[in-house]
Amino acid sequence: DTAVSQTPKYLVTQMGNDKSIKCEQNLGHDTMYWYKQDSKKFLKIMFSYNNKELIINETVPNRFSPKSPDKAHLNLHINSLELGDSAVYFCASSQVVSLSEQYFGPGTRLTVT
Amino acid sequence: AQSVTQLGSHVSVSEGALVLLRCNYSSSVPPYLFWYVQYPNQGLQLLLKYTSAATLVKGINGFEAEFKKSETSFHLTKPSAHMSDAAEYFCAVTTSQTGANNLFFGTGTRLTVIP
Repeated sequence: DTAVSQTPKYLVTQMGNDKSIKCEQNLGHDTMYWYKQDSKKFLKIMFSYNNKELIINETVPNRFSPKSPDKAHLNLHINSLELGDSAVYFCASSQVVSLSEQYFGPGTRLTVT
Repeated sequence: AQSVTQLGSHVSVSEGALVLLRCNYSSSVPPYLFWYVQYPNQGLQLLLKYTSAATLVKGINGFEAEFKKSETSFHLTKPSAHMSDAAEYFCAVTTSQTGANNLFFGTGTRLTVIP
């Protein structure tokens, strides 16, 4: 009964391809997030999304797009993959209440060759 | 804009010794501060958070942190290190109290515990 799950755990692909990473949470949370952790372990928010608004970090290329089929899922689509996209991507979720804890998934390690 | 700076990308302590991980914040409005821990090949787990209720915050696994406005600091401490504390620790800040709490993370500190 994993709280926040991501698939796949590892993803190896070639430059130029389009790929998706799936995220699901069974905590009944209202808000979900995507973070990127680079090779130096630096974590950066990419998106936050609830049923009312999508907040996009302005530094994220428009090749990245979140898609939410329902409250429990927030998938990450990446078009035209580049070498610099190689990183670990974390999904997280929280309640839309004041300063609630974010629960993180186990991460997806994306390698672009 | 808000940010955090973690001094020391790598800290080593002996088992049983004091753990001190440093975090300084920068924010033009009152910040809310967090410490997260990441064990190898896992996601992040919340250790503790400061939400302005009390300046000394106690978290899980014996960790605590003190918010010092005058020093713009939120250092993480534990009196006695255990081998199981070896992990990556991240300080984070947000100024958003409502809605999506976008966290801005520091660069992390890797804690090594020497037997």
